[in-house]
Amino acid sequence: EPEVTQTPSHQVTQMGQEVILRCVPISNHLYFYWYRQILGQKVEFLVSFYNNEISEKSEIFDDQFSVERPDGSNFTLKIRSTKLEDSAMYFCASRVSSAPSTDTQYFGPGTRLTVL
Amino acid sequence: GENVEQHPSTLSVQEGDSAVIKCTYSDSASNYFPWYKQELGKRPQLIIDIRSNVGEKKDQRIAVTLNKTAKHFSLHITETQPEDSAVYFCAASNSGGGADGLTFGKGTHLIIQP
Repeated sequence: EPEVTQTPSHQVTQMGQEVILRCVPISNHLYFYWYRQILGQKVEFLVSFYNNEISEKSEIFDDQFSVERPDGSNFTLKIRSTKLEDSAMYFCASRVSSAPSTDTQYFGPGTRLTVL
Repeated sequence: GENVEQHPSTLSVQEGDSAVIKCTYSDSASNYFPWYKQELGKRPQLIIDIRSNVGEKKDQRIAVTLNKTAKHFSLHITETQPEDSAVYFCAASNSGGGADGLTFGKGTHLIIQP
């Protein structure tokens, strides 16, 4: 069964550095998402992306964050200048379409970001 | 924006007994309510979901009920087994409305006692 994949599984960076987290959504999916989960806390929505543009973003998704679909398979999250509080597990998710019977968002395995 | 409250935060039940986890939501425009199971260090996995035009849905030992008027929905697990031990998250979204980012509850740590 196809799955969402993410790389790297763990990223360690220094405060102030830029990081790019990569995701490969399921191949026929059209909607893409990023979520984060601070250790021991709930999953929080960051941003959704469709047709090469952001369709929704949360308050967390400020100017330090950006997303891109650079080619037909990858979906990336960039954090321009990391802060200690950006340390979290970042999950990518994808969904096949907007039809009511296709609501399911499938999550990737996550990238654990540690900012030192 | 949407706010989802989830209770209890921890639930311990004897193997074979039933477990019930409850969630409430605030946005009446929400129409999609999934439940995810997350084992330690792993990705959230969808276990069941329900749309607002349905009051109840069942899949083997798992069922979800939705009360739109009261804005609450519940997960029911019957005949619990050790492999049911995990953190369970409820979520809500306005699916199909262009704003379908999931708002999650804080999670319930379900412990199945042998």
